[in-house]
Amino acid sequence: DIQLTQSPSTLSTSVGDRVTITCRASQSIISWLAWYQQKPGKAPKLLIYKASSLESGVPSRFSGSGSGTEFTLTITSLQPDDFATYYCQQSNIYYTFGQGTKLEI
Amino acid sequence: QVQLVQSGAEVKKPGASVEISCKASGYTFTSYPVHWVRQAPGQGLEWMGWVHTGNGNTKYSQRFQGRVTITRDTSARTAYMLLSSLRSEDTTVYYCARSRSHSGNYLWEYDAFDIWGQGTEVTVSS
Repeated sequence: DIQLTQSPSTLSTSVGDRVTITCRASQSIISWLAWYQQKPGKAPKLLIYKASSLESGVPSRFSGSGSGTEFTLTITSLQPDDFATYYCQQSNIYYTFGQGTKLEI
Repeated sequence: QVQLVQSGAEVKKPGASVEISCKASGYTFTSYPVHWVRQAPGQGLEWMGWVHTGNGNTKYSQRFQGRVTITRDTSARTAYMLLSSLRSEDTTVYYCARSRSHSGNYLWEYDAFDIWGQGTEVTVSS
């Protein structure tokens, strides 16, 4: 199985901050990586697909980069609505998710 | 609008089976495969399997092979996930989610999940 390791697990941040979350894969997943945002009691919401493509309707302050085994999600100028948990997901071989990164105020 | 609506919460005894439905609206159901994902309380997300809504083909996580069956009813625009031999560890929230890519795209299996159901809570308790 392909393992995804996110870091950090928790991040204390403030409105207006620039945030970077890292996702490392245990083997190459080419660019088959997505990022999701999840709020308590809600389903995940797709933000980024194929490592760097912004899903329709998602604000441009979200961006993704990387290939192979190292990927990042960057949020520029954090907004109050962005405090949530973020997950990466690989789809190169079956599907696995990272353990999540919680953004706290 | 495009949405997936799941059936309501279930309470089951150990050893029983549970079937959750996922009804699609706002798009051509048979054009986009449906995945099933679960999430234990306070835990991460775990993929269970998918159904090709056009031809009915399925693929399952090895972790659930033999215990999960995913089907679809095209006339009802609904996908179903049946999980058998329930145990306490199956107490989680179950989600259906749509493949972002049309099944006519030969790379659809590699794409993300763009539309999610609201989740169905399953409790397994004696």
